[in-house]
Amino acid sequence: QQQVKQSPQSLIVQKGGISIINCAYENTAFDYFPWYQQFPGKGPALLIAIRPDVSEKKEGRFTISFNKSAKQFSLHIMDSQPGDSATYFCAASVSGNTPLVFGKGTRLSVIA
Amino acid sequence: GAVVSQHPSRVICKSGTSVKIECRSLDFQATTMFWYRQFPKQSLMLMATSNEGSKATYEQGVEKDKFLINHASLTLSTLTVTSAHPEDSSFYICSAWGGAKNIQYFGAGTRLSVL
Repeated sequence: QQQVKQSPQSLIVQKGGISIINCAYENTAFDYFPWYQQFPGKGPALLIAIRPDVSEKKEGRFTISFNKSAKQFSLHIMDSQPGDSATYFCAASVSGNTPLVFGKGTRLSVIA
Repeated sequence: GAVVSQHPSRVICKSGTSVKIECRSLDFQATTMFWYRQFPKQSLMLMATSNEGSKATYEQGVEKDKFLINHASLTLSTLTVTSAHPEDSSFYICSAWGGAKNIQYFGAGTRLSVL
């Protein structure tokens, strides 16, 4: 079953703009929410992750916003660059050695 | 730190042959490794969870006799696709759980093409 819903499916952003990708989850036991960046033919690379004890986490140009009551979390990419063009996946899991459940992905294109 | 090496990165084989993919945690011990499959323009789908020294747990719909998983040591898990067919062509990605942060670290993936 689809436990993590991700939107939009694709996104086009102007260089320097803000890219926003949203995810919603169903399983209230999830307590680890990472975002991955994937380039064609490569494995996913961890960008940033958050746990439910905070509502926001920022690392460089990447920020996760987390709304526990709404069971939603989002990725904001500030000052988007053409090099950010990739597919982004949100995921969720229960802490520990449990598998990640991935969203369907968002194809981001940053145009000059 | 926390590097996961996956080999080979790409393999082309004939229908009916078997292919082995290796996943190694280079600088940490991984009691649990995961195998995912990704079809073009789709998300990662979990195939199986592999715990060192025990049998792998397969997800519903994944044939355990076709996708043999061995996790014989704390740093190595292998996935063998037996009697591969064109429909098995996909991108296979492993991950290893552990390291300083106790999270999953992903390999670079293996592109399997079955002719």
